[in-house]
Amino acid sequence: DAGITQSPRHKVTETGTPVTLRCHQTENHRYMYWYRQDPGHGLRLIHYSYGVKDTDKGEVSDGYSVSRSKTEDFLLTLESATSSQTSVYFCAISDATTAYEQYFGPGTRLTVT
Amino acid sequence: AQSVTQLGSHVSVSEGALVLLRCNYSSSVPPYLFWYVQYPNQGLQLLLKYTSAATLVKGINGFEAEFKKSETSFHLTKPSAHMSDAAEYFCAVSDRYRQGAQKLVFGQGTRLTINP
Repeated sequence: DAGITQSPRHKVTETGTPVTLRCHQTENHRYMYWYRQDPGHGLRLIHYSYGVKDTDKGEVSDGYSVSRSKTEDFLLTLESATSSQTSVYFCAISDATTAYEQYFGPGTRLTVT
Repeated sequence: AQSVTQLGSHVSVSEGALVLLRCNYSSSVPPYLFWYVQYPNQGLQLLLKYTSAATLVKGINGFEAEFKKSETSFHLTKPSAHMSDAAEYFCAVSDRYRQGAQKLVFGQGTRLTINP
């Protein structure tokens, strides 16, 4: 399995509080992605990174920000969590050496009450 | 924009029967296509991928998929279902993003149930 960890694995938080999810990789892959998974929607891309300090928006980026200060870490921040952000969040990585394959982390289940 | 449609959110088959999970895509150029599997409380695992080589692609766990450009389809099959195949399956199409990043567009997923 690709070396991808996500923390925390589960979190319950209240509406309006800030939340940061962490994705850590040990594969030295260039590209990192954050997705959210919701029933009936599959996975949808939130943000992605193509290098240290290089990030861009995906299709559902409103309400989320990201940062990547090191190759191995990609942080997803909800500045002020809302109930609509209750979801399962997945991190993925890829690299030129993996061609077009993305490898996924185990996920973080976030509940906003 | 690219899109993927998986026909049937739930599919149920008997153990030993044929598994057929349907996927249609919309793309203006030859796409890269993937099937991922997700077991309960786990991340996604790549089953197989099509990247413009052979149209019949073999993957792990006995699964295969056939790319049919004329039908814009990439259906997943397995000749004989096993109880361990029970999971959710996602079809995805890939598109290029900035600096070579790959955007995956996923279908809604199909939950496969295997009956003993």
